[in-house]
Amino acid sequence: QTVVTQEPSLTVSPGGTVTLTCASSTGAVTSSYFPSWFQQKPGQAPRALIYNTRNRHSWTPARFSGSLLGDKAALTLSGVQPEDEADYYCLLDYGGAPLRVFGGGTKLTVL
Amino acid sequence: EVQLVQSGAEVKKPGATLKISCKISGHTFSDHYIHWVQQAPGKGLEWMGLLDPEDGETKYAEKFQGRLTMTADTSIDTAYMELSGLRSDDTAVYYCATDFVGASAAYWGQGTLVTVSS
Repeated sequence: QTVVTQEPSLTVSPGGTVTLTCASSTGAVTSSYFPSWFQQKPGQAPRALIYNTRNRHSWTPARFSGSLLGDKAALTLSGVQPEDEADYYCLLDYGGAPLRVFGGGTKLTVL
Repeated sequence: EVQLVQSGAEVKKPGATLKISCKISGHTFSDHYIHWVQQAPGKGLEWMGLLDPEDGETKYAEKFQGRLTMTADTSIDTAYMELSGLRSDDTAVYYCATDFVGASAAYWGQGTLVTVSS
């Protein structure tokens, strides 16, 4: 069974910088996994932030950036705002079976 | 603007079959994959499967194989997710989402709460 692992929780101060990561049990995450990132606030549907490793959607603030960091996909938030407090999920495309797998999510607290 | 509007909340008995709809507007329906995602109470997102509305091809996560059926009616730009043999652990919010210009699950529906209880 393929498992995608994220930090369960992270805390960051307002104005600070934090990096969330996304690892695959199958090995290194590369751009061929087309990593995507999603934000979900309580009671709301997820919202897409980043696709294909580093591309922002038109609605994604510039303080969100995606990258590959070592053997993981990463989401970096720079100049964190209080409204960035949310759950963040990565999604990897394995191309075959399983086709897509979400990470377990990271609960980001802004404190 | 791309919009996905899902059908309303449902209460089902164990063993029953669930069918949720997802109407998509704002882009060419057949051009983009449609995903379905399960989120149990207090839990993370779980990818269930995807549908290519152009040819009806489906890919299901192993966990849902045999119980899950995804279809689409291209005449009304609506996708459907059918889950049979419902159990209490199928109690969840179910989301549809659509790809868009190379981005996986770029747009999401509002979610449909399903409660399975005797």
